[in-house]
Amino acid sequence: EVQLMESGGGLVQPGGSLRLSCAASGFTFSDHFMDWVRQAPGKGLEWVARIRNKASRYSIEYAASVKGRFTISRDDSKKSLDLQMNSLKTEDTAVYYCVRDSRDYAFDIWGQGTVVTVSS
Amino acid sequence: IQLTQSPSSLSASVGDRVTITCRASQGINGHLTWYQQKPGKAPKLLIYEASTLQSGVPSRFSGSGSGTDFTLTITSLQPEDFATYYCQHLNGFPFTFGPGTTVDIK
Repeated sequence: EVQLMESGGGLVQPGGSLRLSCAASGFTFSDHFMDWVRQAPGKGLEWVARIRNKASRYSIEYAASVKGRFTISRDDSKKSLDLQMNSLKTEDTAVYYCVRDSRDYAFDIWGQGTVVTVSS
Repeated sequence: IQLTQSPSSLSASVGDRVTITCRASQGINGHLTWYQQKPGKAPKLLIYEASTLQSGVPSRFSGSGSGTDFTLTITSLQPEDFATYYCQHLNGFPFTFGPGTTVDIK
């Protein structure tokens, strides 16, 4: 079964750090671009970051709201995707989804999400 | 690129035909996707490249449009279709989502 499973969410104080992980299974992880998308409580969806595959030199893109604070990375040997989040702000509070790009301009597989709460 | 959706919410009955519109602030080369999200669940891909139905999605869902104007249509609404629907563009960074359209029971 094709699956993505996030972990690492939790409660953190403003200014703190957190590292999210995503474990992939059931597909050739190394072939795909991977993304993080978040959803603040009661709000819509916000794309956060992308990391491309080896063929695209693992190039990276970030949303302006997280650039310089968040770092996306991947380990194809472990089929894992990470998001290192530093200098967290209250507005980073959200459910964070790990997402697979289908290679057809779509996000076709989503994890169940992990909750990040930034609060003092 | 900004995306707007209309309406923001609608009430409909089982069996109704529902149309949701997504408008982009500039042309997006047809790189428009539609997702369905139910409360407490991850979004689910319905339509990609404006009109291509994702495998396993019922044929009552369809997408159309080009340029800046796109439409998601649900023919004969079913009980499991009551949800929030989002459009998204993937025509360059940052990818953005529309604000969502909530379909609830009349």
